[in-house]
Amino acid sequence: AQKVTQAQTEISVVEKEDVTLDCVYETRDTTYYLFWYKQPPSGELVFLIRRNSFDEQNEISGRYSWNFQKSTSSFNFTITASQVVDSAVYFCALSEHQGGSEKLVFGKGTKLTVNP
Amino acid sequence: DAGVIQSPRHEVTEMGQEVTLRCKPISGHDYLFWYRQTMMRGLELLIYFNNNVPIDDSGMPEDRFSAKMPNASFSTLKIQPSEPRDSAVYFCASSSLDRSILNYGYTFGSGTRLTVV
Repeated sequence: AQKVTQAQTEISVVEKEDVTLDCVYETRDTTYYLFWYKQPPSGELVFLIRRNSFDEQNEISGRYSWNFQKSTSSFNFTITASQVVDSAVYFCALSEHQGGSEKLVFGKGTKLTVNP
Repeated sequence: DAGVIQSPRHEVTEMGQEVTLRCKPISGHDYLFWYRQTMMRGLELLIYFNNNVPIDDSGMPEDRFSAKMPNASFSTLKIQPSEPRDSAVYFCASSSLDRSILNYGYTFGSGTRLTVV
Protein backbone atom coordinates (compact mmCIF):
# COMPACT_ATOMS: atom_id res chain seq x y z
CA ALA A 1 0.00 0.00 0.00
CA GLN A 2 1.17 3.48 -0.71
CA LYS A 3 1.95 5.80 2.15
CA VAL A 4 3.18 9.37 2.56
CA THR A 5 4.79 10.62 5.76
CA GLN A 6 5.27 14.24 6.64
CA ALA A 7 6.94 14.03 10.00
CA GLN A 8 6.86 17.76 10.70
CA THR A 9 3.42 18.70 11.94
CA GLU A 10 4.14 22.38 12.42
CA ILE A 11 7.07 24.65 11.61
CA SER A 12 7.47 28.26 12.61
CA VAL A 13 10.11 30.52 11.10
CA VAL A 14 10.90 34.20 10.89
CA GLU A 15 10.59 35.95 7.58
CA LYS A 16 13.60 35.57 5.25
CA GLU A 17 14.65 32.29 6.80
CA ASP A 18 14.98 29.23 4.58
CA VAL A 19 12.78 26.28 5.49
CA THR A 20 12.63 22.69 4.30
CA LEU A 21 9.52 20.55 4.48
CA ASP A 22 10.18 16.83 4.53
CA CYS A 23 8.25 14.13 2.70
CA VAL A 24 8.97 10.41 2.75
CA TYR A 25 6.91 7.98 0.74
CA GLU A 26 6.40 4.24 0.43
CA THR A 27 5.39 2.41 -2.69
CA ARG A 28 6.00 -0.93 -4.35
CA ASP A 29 5.43 0.44 -7.81
CA THR A 30 8.18 1.59 -10.14
CA THR A 31 5.87 4.08 -11.85
CA TYR A 32 4.46 6.77 -9.65
CA TYR A 33 4.00 10.52 -9.32
CA LEU A 34 4.76 12.81 -6.43
CA PHE A 35 3.02 16.10 -5.79
CA TRP A 36 3.12 19.07 -3.47
CA TYR A 37 0.02 21.12 -2.74
CA LYS A 38 -0.38 24.31 -0.75
CA GLN A 39 -3.46 25.02 1.33
CA PRO A 40 -3.55 28.67 2.44
CA PRO A 41 -5.88 29.84 5.21
CA SER A 42 -8.61 30.39 2.60
CA GLY A 43 -8.81 26.61 2.26
CA GLU A 44 -8.29 25.82 -1.40
CA LEU A 45 -5.72 23.26 -2.51
CA VAL A 46 -3.19 24.80 -4.84
CA PHE A 47 -1.03 22.59 -7.03
CA LEU A 48 2.70 23.38 -6.75
CA ILE A 49 4.62 20.63 -8.50
CA ARG A 50 4.45 17.17 -10.01
CA ARG A 51 7.39 14.81 -10.41
CA ASN A 52 7.33 11.34 -11.97
CA SER A 53 9.39 8.46 -10.67
CA PHE A 54 11.70 8.46 -13.68
CA ASP A 55 12.74 12.05 -13.31
CA GLU A 56 15.07 12.67 -10.40
CA GLN A 57 16.15 16.10 -11.46
CA ASN A 58 15.75 18.70 -8.80
CA GLU A 59 13.55 21.63 -9.69
CA ILE A 60 13.65 25.28 -8.81
CA SER A 61 10.82 27.72 -9.29
CA GLY A 62 11.58 31.12 -7.90
CA ARG A 63 12.00 30.76 -4.14
CA TYR A 64 10.73 27.18 -4.23
CA SER A 65 12.89 24.14 -4.85
CA TRP A 66 12.30 20.42 -4.64
CA ASN A 67 14.76 17.61 -3.98
CA PHE A 68 13.67 14.16 -5.17
CA GLN A 69 15.82 11.24 -4.02
CA LYS A 70 14.61 7.76 -4.89
CA SER A 71 17.39 6.18 -2.83
CA THR A 72 15.83 7.55 0.33
CA SER A 73 12.23 7.71 -0.98
CA SER A 74 12.09 11.39 -0.21
CA PHE A 75 10.69 14.42 -1.98
CA ASN A 76 11.59 17.45 0.12
CA PHE A 77 10.44 21.00 -0.48
CA THR A 78 12.53 24.07 0.36
CA ILE A 79 11.35 27.64 0.51
CA THR A 80 14.19 30.14 0.33
CA ALA A 81 13.85 33.54 1.97
CA SER A 82 10.41 32.74 3.33
CA GLN A 83 7.68 35.36 3.33
CA VAL A 84 4.55 35.81 5.42
CA VAL A 85 2.45 34.86 2.40
CA ASP A 86 4.06 31.41 2.47
CA SER A 87 2.15 30.65 5.66
CA ALA A 88 -0.06 27.67 4.82
CA VAL A 89 -0.41 23.95 5.20
CA TYR A 90 1.67 22.05 2.68
CA PHE A 91 0.75 18.56 1.55
CA CYS A 92 2.90 15.97 -0.14
CA ALA A 93 1.00 13.36 -2.15
CA LEU A 94 1.68 10.19 -4.10
CA SER A 95 -0.16 8.50 -6.93
CA GLU A 96 0.66 5.09 -8.31
CA HIS A 97 -0.25 4.08 -11.82
CA GLN A 98 0.33 0.40 -12.10
CA GLY A 99 -2.64 -1.91 -11.95
CA GLY A 100 -4.96 0.80 -13.16
CA SER A 101 -5.16 2.65 -9.87
CA GLU A 102 -5.31 6.42 -9.98
CA LYS A 103 -5.49 7.09 -6.27
CA LEU A 104 -3.80 10.20 -4.92
CA VAL A 105 -2.76 9.64 -1.31
CA PHE A 106 -1.86 12.59 0.88
CA GLY A 107 0.43 13.00 3.83
CA LYS A 108 -0.97 14.64 6.96
CA GLY A 109 0.47 18.00 6.00
CA THR A 110 2.94 20.44 7.53
CA LYS A 111 1.62 23.72 8.84
CA LEU A 112 4.13 26.46 8.10
CA THR A 113 3.91 29.77 9.90
CA VAL A 114 6.15 32.57 8.73
CA ASN A 115 6.33 35.39 11.25
CA PRO A 116 7.25 38.96 10.30
CA ASP B 1 -11.47 26.69 -18.21
CA ALA B 2 -13.26 27.57 -14.99
CA GLY B 3 -11.64 24.73 -13.09
CA VAL B 4 -13.45 22.24 -10.89
CA ILE B 5 -16.66 23.79 -9.59
CA GLN B 6 -18.24 22.70 -6.34
CA SER B 7 -21.49 23.77 -4.77
CA PRO B 8 -22.49 24.85 -2.28
CA ARG B 9 -19.42 26.45 -0.68
CA HIS B 10 -20.95 26.16 2.76
CA GLU B 11 -23.74 23.95 4.06
CA VAL B 12 -25.22 23.90 7.53
CA THR B 13 -27.80 21.25 8.19
CA GLU B 14 -29.47 19.53 11.08
CA MET B 15 -28.66 16.01 12.08
CA GLY B 16 -30.81 13.52 10.21
CA GLN B 17 -31.26 15.67 7.12
CA GLU B 18 -30.14 14.68 3.66
CA VAL B 19 -27.20 16.59 2.23
CA THR B 20 -26.18 16.69 -1.43
CA LEU B 21 -22.85 18.08 -2.57
CA ARG B 22 -22.25 18.81 -6.23
CA CYS B 23 -19.24 18.87 -8.50
CA LYS B 24 -18.54 19.84 -12.09
CA PRO B 25 -15.14 18.54 -13.25
CA ILE B 26 -12.88 20.11 -15.82
CA SER B 27 -14.10 19.36 -19.32
CA GLY B 28 -12.15 16.50 -20.86
CA HIS B 29 -10.96 15.06 -17.58
CA ASP B 30 -11.88 11.42 -17.29
CA TYR B 31 -11.26 10.91 -13.57
CA LEU B 32 -13.25 12.42 -10.73
CA PHE B 33 -12.43 12.10 -7.06
CA TRP B 34 -14.23 12.94 -3.82
CA TYR B 35 -12.08 13.69 -0.77
CA ARG B 36 -12.97 14.58 2.81
CA GLN B 37 -10.74 16.70 5.02
CA THR B 38 -10.92 16.68 8.80
CA MET B 39 -8.46 17.69 11.48
CA MET B 40 -8.25 14.17 12.82
CA ARG B 41 -7.93 12.21 9.60
CA GLY B 42 -6.51 14.70 7.13
CA LEU B 43 -7.39 14.31 3.45
CA GLU B 44 -9.12 11.01 2.78
CA LEU B 45 -10.16 9.66 -0.58
CA LEU B 46 -13.80 8.62 -0.43
CA ILE B 47 -14.46 7.42 -3.99
CA TYR B 48 -13.27 7.95 -7.52
CA PHE B 49 -14.79 7.54 -10.96
CA ASN B 50 -13.29 6.84 -14.36
CA ASN B 51 -15.42 7.73 -17.36
CA ASN B 52 -18.42 8.11 -15.04
CA VAL B 53 -18.00 4.61 -13.58
CA PRO B 54 -17.18 4.20 -9.87
CA ILE B 55 -13.81 2.46 -9.61
CA ASP B 56 -12.98 2.44 -5.92
CA ASP B 57 -15.41 3.32 -3.15
CA SER B 58 -13.46 1.68 -0.35
CA GLY B 59 -13.07 5.03 1.37
CA MET B 60 -16.78 5.69 1.70
CA PRO B 61 -17.32 5.62 5.48
CA GLU B 62 -20.67 3.83 5.55
CA ASP B 63 -23.91 3.25 3.75
CA ARG B 64 -25.14 6.70 4.59
CA PHE B 65 -22.76 8.00 1.94
CA SER B 66 -23.41 7.56 -1.77
CA ALA B 67 -21.93 9.11 -4.89
CA LYS B 68 -23.09 9.23 -8.48
CA MET B 69 -21.76 10.49 -11.76
CA PRO B 70 -24.64 10.50 -14.23
CA ASN B 71 -22.55 12.15 -16.96
CA ALA B 72 -19.06 13.44 -17.65
CA SER B 73 -19.82 16.90 -16.38
CA PHE B 74 -21.56 16.29 -13.08
CA SER B 75 -21.20 14.31 -9.89
CA THR B 76 -22.98 14.28 -6.54
CA LEU B 77 -22.04 13.09 -3.08
CA LYS B 78 -25.03 12.44 -0.86
CA ILE B 79 -25.21 11.86 2.86
CA GLN B 80 -28.47 10.50 4.22
CA PRO B 81 -29.04 10.80 7.11
CA SER B 82 -26.34 13.26 8.10
CA GLU B 83 -24.63 13.14 11.49
CA PRO B 84 -22.48 15.69 13.35
CA ARG B 85 -19.36 13.57 12.74
CA ASP B 86 -19.82 14.13 9.00
CA SER B 87 -18.85 17.76 9.52
CA ALA B 88 -15.80 18.33 7.32
CA VAL B 89 -14.62 19.98 4.14
CA TYR B 90 -15.44 17.89 1.09
CA PHE B 91 -13.28 18.36 -1.98
CA CYS B 92 -13.91 17.24 -5.50
CA ALA B 93 -10.98 16.83 -7.90
CA SER B 94 -10.60 15.83 -11.51
CA SER B 95 -7.73 14.47 -13.55
CA SER B 96 -6.87 13.31 -17.01
CA LEU B 97 -5.44 9.93 -17.93
CA ASP B 98 -3.20 11.60 -20.46
CA ARG B 99 -0.03 11.93 -18.44
CA SER B 100 1.90 13.26 -21.40
CA ILE B 101 0.20 16.61 -21.17
CA LEU B 102 2.26 19.29 -19.57
CA ASN B 103 -0.21 20.18 -16.90
CA TYR B 104 -1.16 16.65 -15.90
CA GLY B 105 -2.24 16.57 -12.35
CA TYR B 106 -5.19 16.62 -10.03
CA THR B 107 -7.17 19.85 -9.96
CA PHE B 108 -9.23 20.46 -6.86
CA GLY B 109 -12.38 22.45 -6.40
CA SER B 110 -12.72 25.04 -3.66
CA GLY B 111 -14.44 22.55 -1.38
CA THR B 112 -17.75 22.44 0.45
CA ARG B 113 -17.60 23.10 4.17
CA LEU B 114 -20.32 20.97 5.74
CA THR B 115 -21.51 21.53 9.27
CA VAL B 116 -24.05 19.15 10.76
CA VAL B 117 -25.61 20.41 13.99
